[in-house]
Amino acid sequence: GQQVMQIPQYQHVQEGEDFTTYCNSSTTLSNIQWYKQRPGGHPVFLIQLVKSGEVKKQKRLTFQFGEAKKNSSLHITATQTTDVGTYFCAGTSYGGATNKLIFGTGTLLAVQP
Amino acid sequence: GAVVSQHPSWVICKSGTSVKIECRSLDFQATTMFWYRQFPKQSLMLMATSNEGSKATYEQGVEKDKFLINHASLTLSTLTVTSAHPEDSSFYICSARARRGMDYGYTFGSGTRLTVV
Repeated sequence: GQQVMQIPQYQHVQEGEDFTTYCNSSTTLSNIQWYKQRPGGHPVFLIQLVKSGEVKKQKRLTFQFGEAKKNSSLHITATQTTDVGTYFCAGTSYGGATNKLIFGTGTLLAVQP
Repeated sequence: GAVVSQHPSWVICKSGTSVKIECRSLDFQATTMFWYRQFPKQSLMLMATSNEGSKATYEQGVEKDKFLINHASLTLSTLTVTSAHPEDSSFYICSARARRGMDYGYTFGSGTRLTVV
């Protein structure tokens, strides 16, 4: 079945440092979404990428969708303590149910003030 | 914005009893809702797709007789964990999509933490 892996599993940074999480799918994705889950909370939608090679920015966050539509990345510039949480990528694959999201394994970000 | 309300937030039940979890879309209609399960420090595992007015679609390995899903209206889906056992203890979360399009993802309920003792 489809698998979506993320690396690293865990990242500890000093406030102000940059952070990147990488997402790799075993199958080609029709789109990729990114979610943030704070400790004890529920996932919150951040962004969706659809086009091959697409890059989107949200303030300090930069999202990228690979050319082959099998990988994606999230980069945070100058992390803040409010960035703490687990970041998940989630995608839907071609040929599968168009509305069924498969979540990546997640990357837990800890930010030390 | 789109809101999905999930109740209860947490529940403790005795082994062998059943627990019902409700998921409501408050300001939109959801013909499809999704139920996920999340173990501590792990990802969300899709359990089933709940379809209004028809049977739910379960993912491989999920017992449909164990996890009963009912989607009786466009705003309500329920998950009943029947004859719960300690291994069913987990965080259960529902989600739905209010609108399609580039700027809209899935809205999640706040989750239900189930502890079976």
